[in-house]
Amino acid sequence: QMQLVQSGSELQRPGASVKISCKPSGYIFTNYAMNWVRQAPGQGPEWMGWIHTDSGNPTYGPGFTGRFVFSLDPVPFTAHLQISGLEADDTAVYYCARGGIGSGGFYALDVWGQGTTVTVSS
Amino acid sequence: EIVLTQSPATLSLSPGERATLSCRASQSVGSKLAWYQQKPGQAPWLLIYDASNRATGVPARFSGSGSGTDFTLSISSLEPEDFAVYYCQQRSNWPLTFGGGTKVDIK
Repeated sequence: QMQLVQSGSELQRPGASVKISCKPSGYIFTNYAMNWVRQAPGQGPEWMGWIHTDSGNPTYGPGFTGRFVFSLDPVPFTAHLQISGLEADDTAVYYCARGGIGSGGFYALDVWGQGTTVTVSS
Repeated sequence: EIVLTQSPATLSLSPGERATLSCRASQSVGSKLAWYQQKPGQAPWLLIYDASNRATGVPARFSGSGSGTDFTLSISSLEPEDFAVYYCQQRSNWPLTFGGGTKVDIK
């Protein structure tokens, strides 16, 4: 059974950093890109970018450069999203999602993690 | 970036009725459009990819159509579990973008 399991909810102060993990299972990890998607409260999903799981090369979407870093640990295979300099507007649910259909960064997302809620509050 | 406009924002229907949801793109995306269903507190779930292909495990009452800039998601006969928010997403151009969603609620 293909699944992505994410780390638990986070409550952080403004200015702090957070690192979210996403552990895939049930498929060959390096065959599929890993995407990250943000969903602010009451809003639709917003694509943040993706990381090539073979090379580790990340691509960031508009508005997600600088404070956002995608990374991989090879053993056990885990994808990470780190956000530094947290702001109140970063309060959202963050999802990892497999790029299952498509290629070269242009995907439909066919397997999703359960989401990690990040709350930024003083 | 390509803007996806979904309509209506809310669709109020009864179980057993047919639902028709629209997604319009600001420029052609060919057939590279997907539809997702999202229930409260859950992740989105891929329903349709490349405009008209049902994803694994998706019931046959869900169908997608369209190409270019105008797309439709149809649910032939609403089941109680179908009341949710539906999003379209394009993968034709970078960056990937999502529509604002259509909420299908119980009339």
